[in-house]
Amino acid sequence: GAVVSQHPSRVICKSGTSVKIECRSLDFQATTMFWYRQFPKQSLMLMATSNEGSKATYEQGVEKDKFLINHASLTLSTLTVTSAHPEDSSFYICSAAGDSYNEQFFGPGTRLTVL
Amino acid sequence: QQQVKQSPQSLIVQKGGISIINCAYENTAFDYFPWYQQFPGKGPALLIAIRPDVSEKKEGRFTISFNKSAKQFSLHIMDSQPGDSATYFCAASSGISGTYKYIFGTGTRLKVLA
Repeated sequence: GAVVSQHPSRVICKSGTSVKIECRSLDFQATTMFWYRQFPKQSLMLMATSNEGSKATYEQGVEKDKFLINHASLTLSTLTVTSAHPEDSSFYICSAAGDSYNEQFFGPGTRLTVL
Repeated sequence: QQQVKQSPQSLIVQKGGISIINCAYENTAFDYFPWYQQFPGKGPALLIAIRPDVSEKKEGRFTISFNKSAKQFSLHIMDSQPGDSATYFCAASSGISGTYKYIFGTGTRLKVLA
């Protein structure tokens, strides 16, 4: 099956710093990648959709300048949380879709804690 | 119209029993309905998925039943095991907009008693 990795798996940072999370599709080319945010005991909330070489499309209410997404290649997308604050602490999950656009393969998630 | 309603919120089943989770949607443009299993601290993993041209799909102990006219679909886990204890999410997507975004249900926390 298709494998998606995320790095780091968990990160702790101080308020005001920026954090970059990488999402890689290991064995397929991801035409589209998605970034989700999940709070404890809640569902996944889509933050943005990114296509390789294009600007990301953000969902309503998601700050573009705070959550910077770059989809530089067909196997790599990055999410940078800029000037992180404690309320940004969450579980961030990426997914990747290849030729079968409907099917998304999810990464293991990144736990961000902002002190 | 973009919502996917999932029930129950939590479910306790005895080992060997059948776990049933239901989802309902409004948007008739949805054309792909996956179910995901998520363990604490992990990303969701695809269990099984169905398209609206079939009414049932079975993979091992997992079965999706799909009722297009009622706009409902459900996950049945046969012979439930303690290892099935996890949170289950249904989702729906449509290719009309070209983005194939998933709309997730609110999740069902399943606990299977040994």
